[in-house]
Amino acid sequence: AQRVTQPEKLLSVFKGAPVELKCNYSYSGSPELFWYVQYSRQRLQLLLRHISRESIKGFTADLNKGETSFHLKKPFAQEEDSAMYYCALKGSGGSNYKLTFGKGTLLTVNP
Amino acid sequence: ETGVTQSPTHLIKTRGQQVTLRCSSQSGHNTVSWYQQALGQGPQFIFQYYREEENGRGNFPPRFSGLQFPNYSSELNVNALELDDSALYLCASSLELRATTEAFFGQGTRLTVV
Repeated sequence: AQRVTQPEKLLSVFKGAPVELKCNYSYSGSPELFWYVQYSRQRLQLLLRHISRESIKGFTADLNKGETSFHLKKPFAQEEDSAMYYCALKGSGGSNYKLTFGKGTLLTVNP
Repeated sequence: ETGVTQSPTHLIKTRGQQVTLRCSSQSGHNTVSWYQQALGQGPQFIFQYYREEENGRGNFPPRFSGLQFPNYSSELNVNALELDDSALYLCASSLELRATTEAFFGQGTRLTVV
């Protein structure tokens, strides 16, 4: 079974502080991991995916297969980063058709 | 390039009624997935259509059904509505059926069952 856990429902930091949004997953094969973001009054959109190994808006995420984690990090948070963040997993092979989402973490960056 | 559009944006129905939600996929996308997002939860996979065929289904009862049309637009039908069906319904389209393919989401339809 596929499962994604985001242990923090709410995360509040000050502008300029580092931020880390935690994501742990459960999957027996090799998953594809994603971070989706939803800004206020906007639709859900892809922030980054592990296979791209890229930094988007200063955010990075490293897949740690040993710890089954895919934490999202940014060294210096900005007010415009305030949003709802969802970690998501796609399985490989026959189960690669669906995204399994965590419950999300609401990030608030205070001035 | 046109994004994913869903209609209607809001809907109120009575328990026991039937509802149809619509989704126009992004131009060129042949894969559509539907998700249910209850309040305070992440989106939960309902089913996916690929080139007009159902390609996978989540843990939802048969009263949740769907269709994909030749132009790749899609419908989600829910029969015998229950109060717990109240949620935001999201449609997502993608270019192909690959694990790494990005899913583009619509703005959602907010369904309230009273």
